[in-house]
Amino acid sequence: GAVVSQHPSWVICKSGTSVKIECRSLDFQATTMFWYRQFPKQSLMLMATSNEGSKATYEQGVEKDKFLINHASLTLSTLTVTSAHPEDSSFYICSARRLAGSADTQYFGPGTRLTVL
Amino acid sequence: KQEVTQIPAALSVPEGENLVLNCSFTDSAIYNLQWFRQDPGKGLTSLLLIQSSQREQTSGRLNASLDKSSGRSTLYIAASQPGDSATYLCAATGNQFYFGTGTSLTVIP
Repeated sequence: GAVVSQHPSWVICKSGTSVKIECRSLDFQATTMFWYRQFPKQSLMLMATSNEGSKATYEQGVEKDKFLINHASLTLSTLTVTSAHPEDSSFYICSARRLAGSADTQYFGPGTRLTVL
Repeated sequence: KQEVTQIPAALSVPEGENLVLNCSFTDSAIYNLQWFRQDPGKGLTSLLLIQSSQREQTSGRLNASLDKSSGRSTLYIAASQPGDSATYLCAATGNQFYFGTGTSLTVIP
């Protein structure tokens, strides 16, 4: 089956630093990728939709200047948390949309645990 | 906006029991309904995907049903095992995934 990877799987950083998270579709091309965040014991909330070669579309309430998304190729999207603060600590999950004929499926990455001290 | 709710929020059962997890959604105009499993600190594992034209899907001890008109889906787990302990999420898909609040399942040996 299709595989989506994330790197790093976990990261600890100091408040005020920036952190980059990578999402890769390993065996298919994804024109669209999605970024979610999940707080403890809560469900996944969509942050933004990342489209290859164009600007990301952010959900209401998500600061685009704080969560920078770049989708430079058909297999890679990056999320950069700028000037991270403790309240940004969360579990970040990406997914990649695969179109195969009439089938439209999303495959999810394993997640990245961000802890901001 | 699509809202997805799961009941119960938590469930604890003895090993061997059959159980049902419920998922409801407010907008019946969905493409698919998908069930996932999430282990603590881990990503999502897709269990079953029901297309909007389908009524149910089965995989091993799992059976998921979909009733679009009433905005409901159920996940049936037969003969539960301790290894089934996890959080189960349903997601209604349109242009994006709308995730439910999850059901935390504990199967007691």
